[in-house]
Amino acid sequence: AQSVTQLGSHVSVSEGALVLLRCNYSSSVPPYLFWYVQYPNQGLQLLLKYTTGATLVKGINGFEAEFKKSETSFHLTKPSAHMSDAAEYFCAVSEPGGSYIPTFGRGTSLIVHP
Amino acid sequence: DTAVSQTPKYLVTQMGNDKSIKCEQNLGHDTMYWYKQDSKKFLKIMFSYNNKELIINETVPNRFSPKSPDKAHLNLHINSLELGDSAVYFCASSQAGSATYEQYFGPGTRLTVT
Repeated sequence: AQSVTQLGSHVSVSEGALVLLRCNYSSSVPPYLFWYVQYPNQGLQLLLKYTTGATLVKGINGFEAEFKKSETSFHLTKPSAHMSDAAEYFCAVSEPGGSYIPTFGRGTSLIVHP
Repeated sequence: DTAVSQTPKYLVTQMGNDKSIKCEQNLGHDTMYWYKQDSKKFLKIMFSYNNKELIINETVPNRFSPKSPDKAHLNLHINSLELGDSAVYFCASSQAGSATYEQYFGPGTRLTVT
């Protein structure tokens, strides 16, 4: 069975500061991992994904995430936060060869202060 | 071109009524989903459906039923609406046989039951 834990329901940063959103997963097989972003009053959109290969993946809007198997983590980072990054971020996991239905974390709300 | 669309965007109705939410995707995907997002932003999968199988989250009341007239559409019908049904409902699609299982979400339908 797969599961996802997002540490911190809210993360607050100043504009220009580093963004770090934490995600830990549990999976019985090497997983596929995703970060989705949900801007206010919109649906979710894919930010980035890890399937195989390079463990550092780059996404849209300057975000990146690193798959660390030993730590079962897939934390999302961005060097410098912008006001427009304020949104809800969801980490998700699915198991290749298993159910195609992903398991989503509970989400982390990113708040960016001027 | 809108990939996944939902109508209506807002739906206000009274307890006991029956309502439907429509979803269409033009991505050629073979699998569609319905999610419920509560006021705390938690995403709960309700249904997953492709031309082979319907997977129902066992916690979903049988007042909720998906109806798929064709592969590009998955509508959600709700009978005898209750106050607790108030939430944002998202439709999503994916290609079940794809390598990565990433999902594409619609903009959501905000349902308010009074």
